[in-house]
Amino acid sequence: QTVVTQEPSFSVSPGGTVTLTCGLSSGSVSPSNYPSWYQQTPGQAPRTLIYSTNTRSSGVPDRFSGSILGNKAALTITGAQADDECDYYCVLYVGGGIVVFGGGTKLTVL
Amino acid sequence: EVQLLESGGGSVQPGGSLRLSCAASGFIFSSYAMSWVRQAPGKGLEWVSGISGGGGGSTYYADSVKGRFTISRDNSKNTLYLQMNSLRAEDTAVYYCAKYYSGWYGFDHWGQGTLVTVSS
Repeated sequence: QTVVTQEPSFSVSPGGTVTLTCGLSSGSVSPSNYPSWYQQTPGQAPRTLIYSTNTRSSGVPDRFSGSILGNKAALTITGAQADDECDYYCVLYVGGGIVVFGGGTKLTVL
Repeated sequence: EVQLLESGGGSVQPGGSLRLSCAASGFIFSSYAMSWVRQAPGKGLEWVSGISGGGGGSTYYADSVKGRFTISRDNSKNTLYLQMNSLRAEDTAVYYCAKYYSGWYGFDHWGQGTLVTVSS
């Protein structure tokens, strides 16, 4: 059973920078896991931020960037704004057509 | 503009069945892999099932639904389906249809979701 791990919660100051991470229970995250990141506010459908490690989805500001840092995928938000306060999910492809969601990170901007 | 519109949600008793549909537009539906993703009340997102594009139609399932749910697509109708049988209380969730960007690179578009409630 593959588990994708994310920080349950994180806090950032307005204007600050935060890096959320996404790990894999079975080992290191690599580009072949095609890490992707999604933002969700309560009651709304998810919004795609990043796919294939570092490709921003259409309309996503360049304050959001994706990368692989060490053995994890990472989402970095610079110049944090109040409306960045919501849930963030990563997804990893683990092979055989299977993708796994992380448990999500609740980001607080204060 | 890409649009994904789910339908077919509702209330059903445990052990019952339901079929969800996702009408797609704004892109060449047959060329892309598609998935169903669900979210139980107050919980995180969970991948449910996926189906390849490009005419392959290979199907994939999460262990939690394997043997009970069937994903399919009708490329002539630009529609994705999820047949859900032997429903359980823990299947209660909002079900989202999602389009892959390319291959399995991640999702680039989402529907608004349809609520399935399994309760006696």
